[in-house]
Amino acid sequence: QVTLRESGPALVKPTQTLTLTCTFSGFSLSTSGMCVSWIRQPPGKALEWLARIDWDDDKYYSTSLKTRLTISKDTSKNQVVLTMTNMDPVDTATYYCARILWYSSSWRFDYWGQGTLVTVSS
Amino acid sequence: QTVVTQEPSLTVSPGGTVTLTCASSTGAVTSGYYPNWFQQKPGQAPRALIYSTSNKHSWTPARFSGSLLGGKAALTLSGVQPEDEAEYYCLLYYGGARPWVFGGGTKLTVL
Repeated sequence: QVTLRESGPALVKPTQTLTLTCTFSGFSLSTSGMCVSWIRQPPGKALEWLARIDWDDDKYYSTSLKTRLTISKDTSKNQVVLTMTNMDPVDTATYYCARILWYSSSWRFDYWGQGTLVTVSS
Repeated sequence: QTVVTQEPSLTVSPGGTVTLTCASSTGAVTSGYYPNWFQQKPGQAPRALIYSTSNKHSWTPARFSGSLLGGKAALTLSGVQPEDEAEYYCLLYYGGARPWVFGGGTKLTVL
């Protein structure tokens, strides 16, 4: 059974750095083809893809947020960590992590966490 | 800046058929964009429905289908049920170091 769960602070101040952790079970991020992505959704708005980390430690970032994001993994702990620097109130959103499979020449998003709401306010 | 465009809203009657589309500002959407589709109900996380254009997950109801239509990715719901009322998002893959990009979502009303 595949599960993902996001954790991190509910409230951060402007200019601070946000650190979010995605803890997963039911798969290993060292298995070929396994990836984890972060996605966010401001209240009442659309989903926005943020970053992806692959089984071989390749990393990819949203073009518009690239300078502020860092994604990393701890395979032994089954965790993926996203840091976002210089937080601003416009970064207030629910942050999700999701599993992606590169399998049989297909990109497959399948399982998502329930999301964690992060509010940026002084 | 790459933009993925969906219909902002659509309305369908119960039992009817509706097609949602997903267009790319870069040109025609092909299978190489590996379109994924998601359903999101209020207060819930998105749920994956379709991957790589037309492949269903084990939990995807048979009434949902994905395709390419007129240079766009498409999601068709046949025999719409009241519980299909939700926001639907497409996601396109632009390859290499370029990011994935979500569409703006389609709010589907079943009325």
